[in-house]
Amino acid sequence: VQLVESGGGVVRPGGSLRLSCAASGFTFDDYGMSWVRQAPGKGLEWVSGIYWNGGSTGYADSVQGRFTISRDNAKNSLYLQMNSLRAEDTALYHCVRGGSPRGYHMDVWGQGTTVTVSS
Amino acid sequence: QSVLTQPPSASGTPGQRVTISCSGSSSNIGSNTVNWYQQLPGTAPKLLIFDYNQRPSGVPDRFSGSKSGTSASLAISGLQSEDEADYYCAACDDRLNGNWVFGGGTKLTVL
Repeated sequence: VQLVESGGGVVRPGGSLRLSCAASGFTFDDYGMSWVRQAPGKGLEWVSGIYWNGGSTGYADSVQGRFTISRDNAKNSLYLQMNSLRAEDTALYHCVRGGSPRGYHMDVWGQGTTVTVSS
Repeated sequence: QSVLTQPPSASGTPGQRVTISCSGSSSNIGSNTVNWYQQLPGTAPKLLIFDYNQRPSGVPDRFSGSKSGTSASLAISGLQSEDEADYYCAACDDRLNGNWVFGGGTKLTVL
């Protein structure tokens, strides 16, 4: 079972990034998925989650209206489109199995991809 | 401020039993299951306890979880040096449309 994130980088405030997560070793469309971030030196923050079929999503208040989570079950992939980025979005973003709203617990974590928002 | 409240730090000596608390409310811990994660320095979090007191395969039985009302606890018995890590609790919150919330984390030091 493996989750591999990509797409992180350095972006200016107000810019956009799209994170991707490639899943392998399990039946991807059996699970809800989520993104969890960790700012430097800080704790974990659940960012967004999506049902197994993409039929329902949830967002933390801090990213609602700016971030969009999606998935492509045919490609075993999870995505996070991040717009209107702010300095406080700077963090290591983990792709996680589970963690959809009211869903299965978060049990498998990727190593993360780093997003830095700076002018 | 985190929705779930944990003490920022805890400590113990090798062999000792240590408990970490996680305080919430009726909308999260009071009505949903609690999970615990261990994060060793420089690594991704690892699921330690799910559904209050269940251990994934491979997690030693030195780790146990419990719940009482709107609070949960993680207990580590027979403390070992390799247990030095950050520990986080997590639960769904009904007031947040079932979105997940984490505690602020507890840094455990093995003296």
